[in-house]
Amino acid sequence: SSELTQDPAVSVALGQTVRITCQGDSLRSYYASWYQQKPGQAPVLVIYGKNNRPSGIPDRFSGSSSGNTASLTITGAQAEDEADYYCNSRDSSGNHGPVFGTGTKVTVL
Amino acid sequence: QVQLQQWGAGLLKPSETLSLTCAVYGGSFSGYYWSWIRQPPGKGLEWIGEINHSGSTNYNPSLKSRVTISVDTSKNQFSLKLSSVTAADTAVYYCARGRVVVVAATIYYYYMDVWGKGTTVTVSS
Repeated sequence: SSELTQDPAVSVALGQTVRITCQGDSLRSYYASWYQQKPGQAPVLVIYGKNNRPSGIPDRFSGSSSGNTASLTITGAQAEDEADYYCNSRDSSGNHGPVFGTGTKVTVL
Repeated sequence: QVQLQQWGAGLLKPSETLSLTCAVYGGSFSGYYWSWIRQPPGKGLEWIGEINHSGSTNYNPSLKSRVTISVDTSKNQFSLKLSSVTAADTAVYYCARGRVVVVAATIYYYYMDVWGKGTTVTVSS
């Protein structure tokens, strides 16, 4: 299957920790990448590979993986972290193209 | 620093062909997958298709019959054509650079690290 499933929405108190999960069969072969998207803006890569952050991404963002589940953790969430988050990998069967998760809206309270 | 600049018609009538182009500035074209992704209003990201520097393509099966992606390596550009558009094709369209990294025999990772700013395409009669 090429589907990646995420919880639609989560909330976190300012300064607390939130974990976003992504489930799918392709994650047994591919580490997930994670993107942050704020309203009216293009997605921004925040985590890729086992747990790599592009330059400029704060170290409060981290990634992990186990079996068919990938997780993005924000430790000490800030107001500016309020956004939609999408996971991404490639289909490990079928046409082997990229696939995106359903997206999670993170609200910082 | 690599940048993607995209352009194309923003307003189409039903049955017309959507045409967008994405130019790559400041980086190599080879070694990457160049994708088109779209996002309907209020919805999530949908991958449309990709091309590599040699012109090999891969399309989302749900759109494959209407999609053509091409590349012009002399201009460092790649383009999207989507035929017979309907209102359901109304979306923000993004171009992006993707890369596959082999970690082990059957373990990989893939990411899209550079994105265009997006083009809003509206299909309306």
